[in-house]
Amino acid sequence: DVQMTQSPSSLSASVGDRVTITCRAGQSVDRYLNWYQQKPGEAPKILIYVASSLQSGVPSRFSGSGSGTDFTLTISSLQPEDFATYYCQQTYIPSYGFGQGTKVEMK
Amino acid sequence: QVQLQESGPGLVKPSETLSLTCAVSADSVSSSSYFWSWIRQPPGRGLEWIGYVYYTGSTKYNPSLKNRVTISIDTSKRQFYLDLSSVTAADTAVYFCARSAFRYGHYWFFDLWGRGSLVTV
Repeated sequence: DVQMTQSPSSLSASVGDRVTITCRAGQSVDRYLNWYQQKPGEAPKILIYVASSLQSGVPSRFSGSGSGTDFTLTISSLQPEDFATYYCQQTYIPSYGFGQGTKVEMK
Repeated sequence: QVQLQESGPGLVKPSETLSLTCAVSADSVSSSSYFWSWIRQPPGRGLEWIGYVYYTGSTKYNPSLKNRVTISIDTSKRQFYLDLSSVTAADTAVYFCARSAFRYGHYWFFDLWGRGSLVTV
């Protein structure tokens, strides 16, 4: 099993802020790393796949980077609709585990 | 627009088998371009991939659940299924079905999700 660890677990930010979330894998997952956004009562929504590819229809303020064990999701200018929980997921090793989530809250 | 819809009992007794169905609104369930997963989320907690099935019927399961999980597919009905045996309170969760799409050959991600079905043990 590959442990996926996100940091921070939660953060408070204001509209317009630049937000960075980190995901660390317990072993290399190459670039098999996706990022999802989940709002309360809803299913997750794909934002980024293959570490840095933006899913069609996702605003360009979202970006991803990294490879191997260390990955980052950045929101360049936080918008009101971005307050949500964000999860990374590796698709390299079966268990295909998710990070524990990062909750982005309004300051 | 393809849609996924979970259905099944909302309450299951301990030691029994949890059974869910995911109905797919289009014929993509028979496509070689996708595979079909179950993911769960205990209340207030994170996500756990359970397993997936391909249109051929081939499957892959999370090793932590492998001994209790069976996922199957019926392409003629545009449905796939989850059976989880010997359930305990720890299996209480919202269960999502999802479609996985490929990019660049072998990278994949969940691109389409059902709304989720809460199952309480």
